[in-house]
Amino acid sequence: SQTIHQWPATLVQPVGSPLSLECTVEGTSNPNLYWYRQAAGRGLQLLFYSVGIGQISSEVPQNLSASRPQDRQFILSSKKLLLSDSGFYLCAWNSGQGRYGYTFGSGTRLTVV
Amino acid sequence: AQRVTQPEKLLSVFKGAPVELKCNYSYSGSPELFWYVQYSRQRLQLLLRHISRESIKGFTADLNKGETSFHLKKPFAQEEDSAMYYCALMGSQGNLIFGKGTKLSVKP
Repeated sequence: SQTIHQWPATLVQPVGSPLSLECTVEGTSNPNLYWYRQAAGRGLQLLFYSVGIGQISSEVPQNLSASRPQDRQFILSSKKLLLSDSGFYLCAWNSGQGRYGYTFGSGTRLTVV
Repeated sequence: AQRVTQPEKLLSVFKGAPVELKCNYSYSGSPELFWYVQYSRQRLQLLLRHISRESIKGFTADLNKGETSFHLKKPFAQEEDSAMYYCALMGSQGNLIFGKGTKLSVKP
């Protein structure tokens, strides 16, 4: 069966420090991968998505970047965190069949201090 | 524009009362719509898809193209239904577009 893993679960980082959040999917190949940010009162905002290795699409301009070095690995990064980067980050995948929706990871709570 | 609107941030009902979580969408073409639920300390998970016309945990949602709505309903709410509910639309780019969510609180 397919599973999605995200880590770490929580992270507290000082302003100006780098960030690396990792997401991996098991049990499938060539998944579509997504990074969302969930903020109270603002719902889920799509940050990046990838349909293949090295293919990244950005939905919103921001202080973050994403990379897909392997088929089932998706990384969210920042060189210098801002206070406004605090939030709950969710990774998700689907097989490319939109009608089945997405499967989400357990999320990472990032607090920038 | 492709958009999902959930007008209620918070919905509070008593156990056994009917529940309706509202969702309206904006999309040109045939929409694919979903309801996701996030229970406390759990991951966001798919509740139901309109294309399946299914009932999960007593919840149903009917697509009304005339009103561009996909409201989530349950005739008798249970305390364990308390959670955050998100309506989502599959956009033309293949990306899920979410509403801002409604927090359902079911009181004993």
